[in-house]
Amino acid sequence: SQKIEQNSEALNIQEGKTATLTCNYTNYSPAYLQWYRQDPGRGPVFLLLIRENEKEKRKERLKVTFDTTLKQSLFHITASQPADSATYLCALSRRTGNQFYFGTGTSLTVIP
Amino acid sequence: SQTIHQWPATLVQPVGSPLSLECTVEGTSNPNLYWYRQAAGRGLQLLFYSVGIGQISSEVPQNLSASRPQDRQFILSSKKLLLSDSGFYLCAWSKGQGVSNYGYTFGSGTRLTVV
Repeated sequence: SQKIEQNSEALNIQEGKTATLTCNYTNYSPAYLQWYRQDPGRGPVFLLLIRENEKEKRKERLKVTFDTTLKQSLFHITASQPADSATYLCALSRRTGNQFYFGTGTSLTVIP
Repeated sequence: SQTIHQWPATLVQPVGSPLSLECTVEGTSNPNLYWYRQAAGRGLQLLFYSVGIGQISSEVPQNLSASRPQDRQFILSSKKLLLSDSGFYLCAWSKGQGVSNYGYTFGSGTRLTVV
């Protein structure tokens, strides 16, 4: 069955540094990949969508890469701030259908 | 603007009792609707999705069911809750016809504890 894995351990980084989160998948050929931010007790908030034919996508301080050969996506937050502390989720979808399947998430803490 | 409402925010129910969670979307028509469950320390598990009134697709066989009686209303139900049904239930919507550039918009969730 399909498997979507994110950094299992929490990530702590110093303010101002670049945070890099990983999303790996197996037994799957996604055509779309999304990243979400989730704060405790809240629903996830959509951040970025990247398609299989796109290598990289940027939005302000965020950058996402999508490597279908490595079956991996990297999510970068540059110039990180304490307000970026949250859990970040990746989600994948096939070419047909609208439903996305989520990874377990990575907890990020930015230390002032 | 579009909004999504989900209630109740928290719920404590005894084992064997019924369940009904409601989700409504405003400001859009013919949305795709989804129910996810998030167990403690785990990712979001897709339970049901719907592309139109009365059209429900189930992802995981279990004692839960979903219905979409109106275009912007999505209901999650159970006749008899199990302890394993405890979790954080999230409703979401997306624009219809293919993958949306705007992703999913999630509701605020219902924290269900089955005791």
